Amino acid sequence: AQKITQTQPGMFVQEKEAVTLDCTYDTSDPSYGLFWYKQPSSGEMIFLIYQGSYDQQNATEGRYSLNFQKARKSANLVISASQLGDSAMYFCAMRGREDSSYKLIFGSGTRLLVRP
Amino acid sequence: GAGVSQSPRYKVAKRGQDVALRCDPISGHVSLFWYQQALGQGPEFLTYFQNEAQLDKSGLPSDRFFAERPEGSVSTLKIQRTQQEDSAVYLCASSLRQGNYEQYFGPGTRLTVT
Repeated sequence: AQKITQTQPGMFVQEKEAVTLDCTYDTSDPSYGLFWYKQPSSGEMIFLIYQGSYDQQNATEGRYSLNFQKARKSANLVISASQLGDSAMYFCAMRGREDSSYKLIFGSGTRLLVRP
Repeated sequence: GAGVSQSPRYKVAKRGQDVALRCDPISGHVSLFWYQQALGQGPEFLTYFQNEAQLDKSGLPSDRFFAERPEGSVSTLKIQRTQQEDSAVYLCASSLRQGNYEQYFGPGTRLTVT
């Protein structure tokens, strides 16, 4: 069975500093994708970044980068130059092919608060 | 173009009432997913459609939950005889095709059962 673990319920970061949000995963599927979503207080899930299990390089999208360590089964999100608008819940998710629906399996999330 | 829309945004139901939650996916998106998000938790999968076919309903918590997508576009999640434990945010997501494609989420419907 697939599982995502986020061990940090809450994190603080000073504005303009970088922060790392942890995510570990478990799967027996050799082909899978890892995602990070941001959920502001308004409730919508906003896609941030994607990493495929066969991708050789770590994914980057603007201020977001994914530190993918396949052997350790970790996919940490790094946010550089934090902004006040980054305060939100962040969810790590996985999608594999163990079943045909390609559903997302989410972790429990990390609440990030950016201090001015 | 327009994103995924859901209605109503908020629903209060008395225990035992039936509710219907609507999802309008992005036009042309083949795949549609429903997730349930309890307070303080990550979303959990409920069911999946490819066009009008419901291919996976393994996440539906009981037979009180029913979903349909009769014409392969709009989907409705129906909960019969609501219980307090059904209180949650119900998220709908769509993706262009089946497979490893990004899922676009709607704003969710917050259901409160009193």
